[in-house]
Amino acid sequence: GAVVSQHPSWVICKSGTSVKIECRSLDFQATTMFWYRQFPKQSLMLMATSNEGSKATYEQGVEKDKFLINHASLTLSTLTVTSAHPEDSSFYICSARDPLQGPSGANVLTFGAGSRLTVL
Amino acid sequence: QKEVEQDPGPLSVPEGAIVSLNCTYSNSAFQYFMWYRQYSRKGPELLMYTYSSGNKEDGRFTAQVDKSSKYISLFIRDSQPSDSATYLCAMSSTGNQFYFGTGTSLTVIP
Repeated sequence: GAVVSQHPSWVICKSGTSVKIECRSLDFQATTMFWYRQFPKQSLMLMATSNEGSKATYEQGVEKDKFLINHASLTLSTLTVTSAHPEDSSFYICSARDPLQGPSGANVLTFGAGSRLTVL
Repeated sequence: QKEVEQDPGPLSVPEGAIVSLNCTYSNSAFQYFMWYRQYSRKGPELLMYTYSSGNKEDGRFTAQVDKSSKYISLFIRDSQPSDSATYLCAMSSTGNQFYFGTGTSLTVIP
């Protein structure tokens, strides 16, 4: 399948600082990317849908000003956690539709490796 | 009622056993049925997907979809310790809506 590269895999920051997580689609273009958050032993929680060249669509309850999403190119989406606090500590995962699944493009997601954020 | 229901386990089996993982769903519009494997502190990895009903086999893994019962299964034959992970089912129709199960934690004991 197609590959989504996510960086950094692990980041530790002090409370009040901002952290940027990058998500890149390798060898394919992704007009839409999805950002998920995952707490320990829980399933994926969709935070927002990132659209190339336009504003992201946030899920209910997700603070737009805290979790800034930018999708400036067809291969790169970024999530910036602004003024991070310990409660923002979590595992963040991006994904995109996998263009290599099925002859006409199945509606199937491929995920990045995830970014573990620890806020002290 | 949740869109997708999955027994969280945990499930523990001896090496070589056949493992059966299952999900039920409520939305008859779902067309794509996915199974992901997630190791600890890693992103989900797509194992296989099925479009509409039927079976699909890939090595030791077999995915089954029964749309009449709104029930999907993943079978793992000759399970190995390296299969120890959390298995997530996921479903979609078209568009940007994807629905995930809570994941089943599997441990294969050598």
